[in-house]
Amino acid sequence: EVQLVQSGAEVKKSGESLRISCKAPADTFASFRISWVRQRPGQGLEWLGTIDPSGSYNNLRPSLRGSVTMSVDKSINTVYLEWTSVKSSDTAMYFCARTHLTYYELFNWFDPWGQGTQVTVSS
Amino acid sequence: QSMLTQPPSVSAASGQKVTISCSGSSSNIGDNPVSWYQQVPGTGPKLLIYDNDKVPSAIPDRFSASKSGTSATLVITGLQTGDEATYFCATWEASLSLVVFGGGTEVTVL
Repeated sequence: EVQLVQSGAEVKKSGESLRISCKAPADTFASFRISWVRQRPGQGLEWLGTIDPSGSYNNLRPSLRGSVTMSVDKSINTVYLEWTSVKSSDTAMYFCARTHLTYYELFNWFDPWGQGTQVTVSS
Repeated sequence: QSMLTQPPSVSAASGQKVTISCSGSSSNIGDNPVSWYQQVPGTGPKLLIYDNDKVPSAIPDRFSASKSGTSATLVITGLQTGDEATYFCATWEASLSLVVFGGGTEVTVL
């Protein structure tokens, strides 16, 4: 069974930097893109971005560009989501997910999902 | 406001059937495959349906789905208390080059 393993819960103050991670099995890392999805308290799911570990694709939600970055460390099969300055509105559960594509390399489905990383930002 | 519209909640008695709709447009559902996810309270989402109507082997055949035009539908038959969860649809939004989710539908078993 393929598993994506995410880093543990984080508690930050507004303005602090933050990096959360998602580690995938080697074969997943070699063959699939990884996406990040956010769920704010009591809210639905929101796609944040998708990255190809090869470096060939990095698509971040337009509203997040400039405040969040996605990166990869191929040596340890890990994808990161990083903030230079978090805000209270970043308080949410963050999930990573293996991303399956259509023949035309567009999103098709997410499976499996990581267990989630709770991020809490206080002012 | 989500680009995919789902009813906020549906309910039915144990053993009955529920239908959850996901309404979009030509730039999302109309031209791209739909997937469905189940999220039990306190847990992460789980894939239920991919490629509009395909069911992963680990998912019971009580779950089925279809797509027609700019709408998709998830059907759960033989409803069980373990099916109480929130269900989300998702697809690609071509006009914005991003993935969109429906707002989610909470299923209650009476």
